[in-house]
Amino acid sequence: NAGVTQTPKFRILKIGQSMTLQCTQDMNHNYMYWYRQDPGMGLKLIYYSVGAGITDKGEVPNGYNVSRSTTEDFPLRLELAAPSQTSVYFCASSYSFGTSGGGQETQYFGPGTRLLVL
Amino acid sequence: QKEVEQDPGPLSVPEGAIVSLNCTYSNSAFQYFMWYRQYSRKGPELLMYTYSSGNKEDGRFTAQVDKSSKYISLFIRDSQPSDSATYLCAMIPPGNTGKLIFGQGTTLQVKP
Repeated sequence: NAGVTQTPKFRILKIGQSMTLQCTQDMNHNYMYWYRQDPGMGLKLIYYSVGAGITDKGEVPNGYNVSRSTTEDFPLRLELAAPSQTSVYFCASSYSFGTSGGGQETQYFGPGTRLLVL
Repeated sequence: QKEVEQDPGPLSVPEGAIVSLNCTYSNSAFQYFMWYRQYSRKGPELLMYTYSSGNKEDGRFTAQVDKSSKYISLFIRDSQPSDSATYLCAMIPPGNTGKLIFGQGTTLQVKP
């Protein structure tokens, strides 16, 4: 199993450009997540999905869009890049979420995409 | 007030030292607590998972939860240079919202 893979690893964008960050998982997980990580700020949830065709906003969704057409893929779209979107983006997946207590909520993270908006 | 507070460090210790990493939280309804380890330029990986007050041990690592004080800790015994990483605490809020609430992360350096 490759786990969670993300592309690209690094990208420089100009203000106003758009791009899609790709995320794929091969663990047959229903739940997928997008986070951004800024220095000293921990991880903040952007969007998440509980299955194909179902997505919901997280803590910081403004400026981003997502889609989930298959179980495996969960791309993140930036339409009009702004300097405030300079960050490291992590995709994650889990078997479930909530409070079942069985460890199934464990989120597995990809290696991240470093984005610089100038 | 942030839901989860974690001292960002950095924390520097000599090899073999006992390390204590801590998080406090404000919502007494949090029930499930995790510690993730993140090496430089890598994604976080789950280190410890616990859902009750008390201690949970796994090799050199011990996770401690004190729900009455809303305080969790991760202890690393006989620390090694390979333990040098950022450690993030995370909690599942009530309501099955699909969210993990992360602390800011503590950067640890273990010097040989």
